Amino acid sequence: SQQGEEDPQALSIQEGENATMNCSYKTSINNLQWYRQNSGRGLVHLILIRSNEREKHSGRLRVTLDTSKKSSSLLITASRAADTASYFCATGPGTQAGTALIFGKGTTLSVSS
Amino acid sequence: KAGVTQTPRYLIKTRGQQVTLSCSPISGHRSVSWYQQTPGQGLQFLFEYFSETQRNKGNFPGRFSGRQFSNSRSEMNVSTLELGDSALYLCASSLGGSGEETQYFGPGTRLLVL
Repeated sequence: SQQGEEDPQALSIQEGENATMNCSYKTSINNLQWYRQNSGRGLVHLILIRSNEREKHSGRLRVTLDTSKKSSSLLITASRAADTASYFCATGPGTQAGTALIFGKGTTLSVSS
Repeated sequence: KAGVTQTPRYLIKTRGQQVTLSCSPISGHRSVSWYQQTPGQGLQFLFEYFSETQRNKGNFPGRFSGRQFSNSRSEMNVSTLELGDSALYLCASSLGGSGEETQYFGPGTRLLVL
């Protein structure tokens, strides 16, 4: 079953614009992660935010987490054509040991030049 | 350092057959997780192996099984294939298998069941 639900499902923007994707989840979490997938290939880890953090930056990426609303957002600033991909949020196993991630359905981002 | 490798990359099988997929983690990584990705269900966790032991299992039927070898390489097996098993199968490895570690994904094996 899916833990997270991304919104929007698809997003089309021009190069240079910002892209914002949202993720909602259902249960308590220890951390939330964002991954990128290019055209049906493997996933690439982008950023991890812990439940006690509200905001985190990595290069052109900015992630926020609101545990009271069980939601997170990923902002990509100054988008490039190379950012075209699907983006997924994923939550970890909580207090359970291990690496089982529960993914949302993803947002497909298309950046045109 | 070499990334996660998966073999084969593409596979075509017929209903009722069985299939074995292989995953070689990054050197030194002891945890390997498997995921199934389909257009309808998205990315779903299959199972995780750590030090040759299955540590977690997703909600999949017993036709899906796996194992891990002493060198951390992992295989997953699907018996009695069904059309709905057509999917991209991804494996991911991490160092110690903590929920806060970065997981490194392989390119996937695309399985088509006819």
